[in-house]
Amino acid sequence: NAGVTQTPKFRILKIGQSMTLQCTQDMNHNYMYWYRQDPGMGLKLIYYSVGAGITDKGEVPNGYNVSRSTTEDFPLRLELAAPSQTSVYFCAASPTVWPQHFGDGTRLSIL
Amino acid sequence: ELKVEQNPLFLSMQEGKNYTIYCNYSTTSDRLYWYRQDPGKSLESLFVLLSNGAVKQEGRLMASLDTKARLSTLHITAAVHDLSATYFCAVDYSGGGADGLTFGKGTHLIIQP
Repeated sequence: NAGVTQTPKFRILKIGQSMTLQCTQDMNHNYMYWYRQDPGMGLKLIYYSVGAGITDKGEVPNGYNVSRSTTEDFPLRLELAAPSQTSVYFCAASPTVWPQHFGDGTRLSIL
Repeated sequence: ELKVEQNPLFLSMQEGKNYTIYCNYSTTSDRLYWYRQDPGKSLESLFVLLSNGAVKQEGRLMASLDTKARLSTLHITAAVHDLSATYFCAVDYSGGGADGLTFGKGTHLIIQP
């Protein structure tokens, strides 16, 4: 049971570089989410999707973009990386709002 | 602005003891979620509470919701070391929409033998 798979697990970027965080799920869930978790804090929603072709902004979308061309995949794009985007990023999928199944996270440092 | 405050933020307790984690929130909501996160790991969905007076239990953990007091509790009974983790509550302010979760900062729980 793969569930939600995120790649890469770790990454170091230089300021101004771009990258895509990959997220794929094999549970056929309609809802998918991207969160970031800063040290000592709870999760904050970046973007979410309620189905293929539908995406919407969460609480902290600035500096990020997403797409949802298939049910399985929900990549997160960082353009012009900034130190403030250093965080742990979690992708999640759910059949409706609950229960959310989380990936293992991507630990991203921007130097 | 919706605020979610967890109390305490850090808790060290002994095995066999009982304790309660509190989650207070600032705006009316009747949906609240609890999650568990092990160090360096991802989050695990524990409970969803969907109405005033809702109670959910699994093993040594019991969660309840009082929407009038804007308070949820996570009670730990006869704690064991395996329950050491960080516990987050999240409040849904969108009435069930996908964008509506605001998380607390988490309660870091250490259970010592």
